[in-house]
Amino acid sequence: GAVVSQHPSRVICKSGTSVKIECRSLDFQATTMFWYRQFPKQSLMLMATSNEGSKATYEQGVEKDKFLINHASLTLSTLTVTSAHPEDSSFYICSAREPSGGREQFFGPGTRLTVL
Amino acid sequence: GESVGLHLPTLSVQEGDNSIINCAYSNSASDYFIWYKQESGKGPQFIIDIRSNMDKRQGQRVTVLLNKTVKHLSLQIAATQPGDSAVYFCAVEGSSASKIIFGSGTRLSIRP
Repeated sequence: GAVVSQHPSRVICKSGTSVKIECRSLDFQATTMFWYRQFPKQSLMLMATSNEGSKATYEQGVEKDKFLINHASLTLSTLTVTSAHPEDSSFYICSAREPSGGREQFFGPGTRLTVL
Repeated sequence: GESVGLHLPTLSVQEGDNSIINCAYSNSASDYFIWYKQESGKGPQFIIDIRSNMDKRQGQRVTVLLNKTVKHLSLQIAATQPGDSAVYFCAVEGSSASKIIFGSGTRLSIRP
């Protein structure tokens, strides 16, 4: 199947700083990517849908000014957590769908963010 | 809106036995259903999917059953192995196209 990568896999930062997480589709072009957040022992919660060349669509309750999403190319979407605080510590996971493929979404390995 | 739930948060089975993980969904208009496996510290891994025009689909050692009448789906794992230990999520493509809603997850543990 298609491969999605994330970078970094793990990041620790100080409170108040911003962190950028990259999501790449390695062997296919993805017009749409998705960003999820997962707290310990919980399910994945969709944060936003990232559309190449246009603004992301955020889920209810997700602050778009805090979680900046940029989908500048067909293989890269970035999520920037601005002014991170300890409550933003979580596992962030992206997924992508092949435009010409079925409805299956391919998930990245996740990024563990710890805010001190 | 869409909501997905699981009947049991944890499931313990004897190695070699079959495992059955259940999931209920709320939106009768949902037409695409997926099961994912997630190991600790990793992203979800696709197991099997099914569309609403089917009621059963089989893969290697896994079977998904869909009952649209009661809005219920299940994942059956045959001859459960230690490598099957993980959290299993059902997911439903919501009424808004392309958005996937995840259930709360069932942790499957294997007894030797």
